[in-house]
Amino acid sequence: QITLKVSGPTLVKPTQTLTLTCAFSGFSLSTSGEGVGWIRQPPGKALEWLALIYWHDGKRYSPSLRNRLTITKDTSKNQVVLTMTNMDPVDTATYYCAHSLGWLHYDYWGQGTRVTVSS
Amino acid sequence: DVVMTQSPLSLPVTLGQPAAISCKSNQSLVYSDGNTYLNWFHQRPGQSPRRLIYKVSDRDSGVPDRFSGSGSGTDFTLEISRVEAEDVGVYYCMQGTHWPFTFGPGTKVDIK
Repeated sequence: QITLKVSGPTLVKPTQTLTLTCAFSGFSLSTSGEGVGWIRQPPGKALEWLALIYWHDGKRYSPSLRNRLTITKDTSKNQVVLTMTNMDPVDTATYYCAHSLGWLHYDYWGQGTRVTVSS
Repeated sequence: DVVMTQSPLSLPVTLGQPAAISCKSNQSLVYSDGNTYLNWFHQRPGQSPRRLIYKVSDRDSGVPDRFSGSGSGTDFTLEISRVEAEDVGVYYCMQGTHWPFTFGPGTKVDIK
């Protein structure tokens, strides 16, 4: 059974760097085909795809946020970390991580964490 | 980026009646392996999204068979044969064929 859980700060100040951790169980990011992605959702708005990392350390980013995002994995800890630099109030959103298998994406989601950007 | 559009954006439904949501992309979602990676998600208020359909028409485990997906190329549809109260919420289509992946704007389904 696959589970994912997001942890990180609920409040960050403008210009700060956000670091979110996705801790997962039920699969391994050392297994061929496995991946973890990040998706966010501003309050009352639609879902927005951010980034994805695969078992072979292949990474993909949203082009509009590419220069602000970094996704990494720690296979031994079953964790994926997303960092977003230079946070702005428009980045206020609920951030989710989700599981991928090959090209079949997001069958399992974490609970999401609400991040507010405010001074 | 591939642009995903949905219609309608708001769908009041009557319990027990059918409902349909359209999703269109501005380019073909057929991947080089021949598959079409079009997904449908359902999100209830305050909850994480749940995937209902993948590869256009494959239902996820545990998804009631009143949900069905169809379509090809750039035009897709999610149908609910008989709406139940638990089906309220927002439905999103998402393409996983082209990078970056993109979601539709969402269709809010509520009971009349």
